[in-house]
Amino acid sequence: QKEVEQDPGPLSVPEGAIVSLNCTYSNSAFQYFMWYRQYSRKGPELLMYTYSSGNKEDGRFTAQVDKSSKYISLFIRDSQPSDSATYLCAMPVSDSWGKLQFGAGTQVVVTP
Amino acid sequence: GAGVSQSPSNKVTEKGKDVELRCDPISGHTALYWYRQSLGQGLEFLIYFQGNSAPDKSGLPSDRFSAERTGGSVSTLTIQRTQQEDSAVYLCASSRLGQGDSPLHFGNGTRLTVT
Repeated sequence: QKEVEQDPGPLSVPEGAIVSLNCTYSNSAFQYFMWYRQYSRKGPELLMYTYSSGNKEDGRFTAQVDKSSKYISLFIRDSQPSDSATYLCAMPVSDSWGKLQFGAGTQVVVTP
Repeated sequence: GAGVSQSPSNKVTEKGKDVELRCDPISGHTALYWYRQSLGQGLEFLIYFQGNSAPDKSGLPSDRFSAERTGGSVSTLTIQRTQQEDSAVYLCASSRLGQGDSPLHFGNGTRLTVT
């Protein structure tokens, strides 16, 4: 079993809908929880991160962490075609943010 | 400013040949990382450099893989005697520091195909 599980999709939604993405993890030592966005043939870019449990909002994006269930979520409100990308959850395996355990990534397609 | 630069962007090689992949990190970033992204495995950590030294090589899959970094800047990942299972996108990332909350900046990768 992988340490981080993520449904690969694809997830297809109409423009304006809410996109809901999630990951489960097994390592209770994870403290930071990150979401990366990766456009086709590009490198991943950090979208947002959360420390420990709770919610964090940044514009149309909301990240949630439930450490008791080892479950994290990313919501995208008012989705746009430009949000079409692969979204990867990631957790640092040490106190450095450089060595990350990634989920498989979920491909999102927002149709106009 | 300029981001992380990787070359070549695509590489096709025959099984058994050696390949070299290059990474030019963001200027001033002391930490450099190599990751591999393949269809079956997702993104996997390979190796981490702090300056010119590599304190963490734990992700290198076999002794056919090696990497070096010179002058605290450019890094080269070398794969000897390539195998078909080495086909993947090799991503390089750099960060300002190799510790704490210093996020990674990824390049666009080198897409390696071994025929």
